[in-house]
Amino acid sequence: GAVVSQHPSWVICKSGTSVKIECRSLDFQATTMFWYRQFPKQSLMLMATSNEGSKATYEQGVEKDKFLINHASLTLSTLTVTSAHPEDSSFYICSARDPQGGMNTEAFFGQGTRLTVV
Amino acid sequence: RKEVEQDPGPFNVPEGATVAFNCTYSNSASQSFFWYRQDCRKEPKLLMSVYSSGNEDGRFTAQLNRASQYISLLIRDSKLSDSATYLCVVTPEGSTLGRLYFGRGTQLTVWP
Repeated sequence: GAVVSQHPSWVICKSGTSVKIECRSLDFQATTMFWYRQFPKQSLMLMATSNEGSKATYEQGVEKDKFLINHASLTLSTLTVTSAHPEDSSFYICSARDPQGGMNTEAFFGQGTRLTVV
Repeated sequence: RKEVEQDPGPFNVPEGATVAFNCTYSNSASQSFFWYRQDCRKEPKLLMSVYSSGNEDGRFTAQLNRASQYISLLIRDSKLSDSATYLCVVTPEGSTLGRLYFGRGTQLTVWP
């Protein structure tokens, strides 16, 4: 089946540095990918919709200048957390659905990235 | 009001028990419905889609009531390996490749 791969699976960084997370669709072309954030014991919250070849669409309350999204190809979207702070520590996860699959197609998730900012 | 509301749990049941989770959604025009399973510190994985006529997959039965905007998941003969968080997921109208709305998740622990 379709697979989405996310890298890295975990990262620890110093406060003020930037972290890039990659999300790849391995056997289908994803014109749209989604970035979520999940805090402990909370649900997945959509941060932004990544659109290949155009600007990402951010959810209300998500700073676009802090969470930079680039979707330069049909199989790769990146999320860069700029000037990370401890409150950005969270589980970040991407997802995509195969456009050939139709309305009930499964959403595939990357493995997630656990970010810890110290 | 949240798009998807779920039983918060946690549910703690013995092996072999039957357990049911409920979920309601706010958008009556929602198109697609799913149950996902998420293990601790892992990504969600599809458990089953939910169809209007209801559907069954082994020990798992999903039901959809569009009139009440209600979705359920029944797990029979619970196994230790069923311990996880179960996420109710809804796709809004006109959103073939669009966003998914997640419930908060219901935590299930099956004990021996």
